[in-house]
Amino acid sequence: AQTVTQSQPEMSVQEAETVTLSCTYDTSESDYYLFWYKQPPSRQMILVIRQEAYKQQNATENRFSVNFQKAAKSFSLKISDSQLGDAAMYFCASLQGGSEKLVFGKGTKLTVNP
Amino acid sequence: EAGVAQSPRYKIIEKRQSVAFWCNPISGHATLYWYQQILGQGPKLLIQFQNNGVVDDSQLPKDRFSAERLKGVDSTLKIQPAKLEDSAVYLCASSFRGGAGQSSYEQYFGPGTRLTVT
Repeated sequence: AQTVTQSQPEMSVQEAETVTLSCTYDTSESDYYLFWYKQPPSRQMILVIRQEAYKQQNATENRFSVNFQKAAKSFSLKISDSQLGDAAMYFCASLQGGSEKLVFGKGTKLTVNP
Repeated sequence: EAGVAQSPRYKIIEKRQSVAFWCNPISGHATLYWYQQILGQGPKLLIQFQNNGVVDDSQLPKDRFSAERLKGVDSTLKIQPAKLEDSAVYLCASSFRGGAGQSSYEQYFGPGTRLTVT
């Protein structure tokens, strides 16, 4: 069974600074995908970034990047130049290839201080 | 392109009453999901449809929850009778599953329905 663990219930960062959110996962499959979703108070889950397990290169999307350590089963999210609009709950999730079933962690609440 | 639509946005009911939620996925998306998100937790998959067939309902409490997806488009999720522990946000998501080798596995979420059971 897949499991996803986010060990930081809350994090805070100063505007324009960099913050890293942690995530570890466990899966017995070799074909899987990892995601970071953002959920603002409006409740809409928004995909931030995705990583295919077979790709060695870390994914990047503008100010968002990941540090994918496959052997350690670690998938952290780095947010550079933090903006007030980045404040939200962030969820790490994994999906096994072929099943399409997303398994989420418990989330990290990110506060951005002006 | 219109996103995933859900209604209602909020619902308050008393325990033992029934409630239904509606979801309209993104046009052309064959796969539809219902998730339950209890306060302070990540979403948990309740049921997954591929067109109008059920792919996975292993975590759906079938004694009180039911879901259908007629004609492979819209879907409804029903709870009858509701319990206090059903208070949660119910999220609908959809994804595109193309032909062999064509899938981004990306799920697009609706705004959710916040259910309060008193």
